[in-house]
Amino acid sequence: DQQVKQNSPSLSVQEGRISILNCDYTNSMFDYFLWYKKYPAEGPTFLISISSIKDKNEDGRFTVFLNKSAKHLSLHIVPSQPGDSAVYLCAASDLDSGYALNFGKGTSLLVTP
Amino acid sequence: EAGVAQSPRYKIIEKRQSVAFWCNPISGHATLYWYQQILGQGPKLLIQFQNNGVVDDSQLPKDRFSAERLKGVDSTLKIQPAKLEDSAVYLCASSPPRGRLTYEQYFGPGTRLTVT
Repeated sequence: DQQVKQNSPSLSVQEGRISILNCDYTNSMFDYFLWYKKYPAEGPTFLISISSIKDKNEDGRFTVFLNKSAKHLSLHIVPSQPGDSAVYLCAASDLDSGYALNFGKGTSLLVTP
Repeated sequence: EAGVAQSPRYKIIEKRQSVAFWCNPISGHATLYWYQQILGQGPKLLIQFQNNGVVDDSQLPKDRFSAERLKGVDSTLKIQPAKLEDSAVYLCASSPPRGRLTYEQYFGPGTRLTVT
């Protein structure tokens, strides 16, 4: 049962534009959300996170937005750079599960020059 | 600070053979996780350790998979006997002790297992 869903398998954006990656979840107990970046043949690398007590968290070019009522979060990358091309994994966790991560299938982002 | 180490990076075995993966977490990280990532899917939790005790192994196929974390540091994940559907990348992750405000995990490079 997929509790975290990333419905867009791929996204292509021009360099300098905004990339918006979306994620939906079904478990209302989730209270901590994370985005990871993954290159081929490497493990996921932590990018940014947000607690359920917030609705926005920003770190440089990366901003995560959380809409709890819609059970939806998004990652905005502004401006997008070719080096941002990777698979982005959305993950959610909660205290009851010891903050083990429930992942979506990922969205492959391609930033073209 | 050294990251999470895993070995081997790649392994090819025949079905019904056994295989073991090793993980060394970041120093001081109390919690260790093993995830299985099948091609086209997101990583799925297999087992979670807190120090050397098991917190959650509900998704570990215990008839063929086993894991241990001796002395609360290194961990080994074993598959015996392997099946074709075990072909996946096995990821180890660790996270700092509880009582902090963030809950990110740090991943190793993974072991890619191919069962033929």
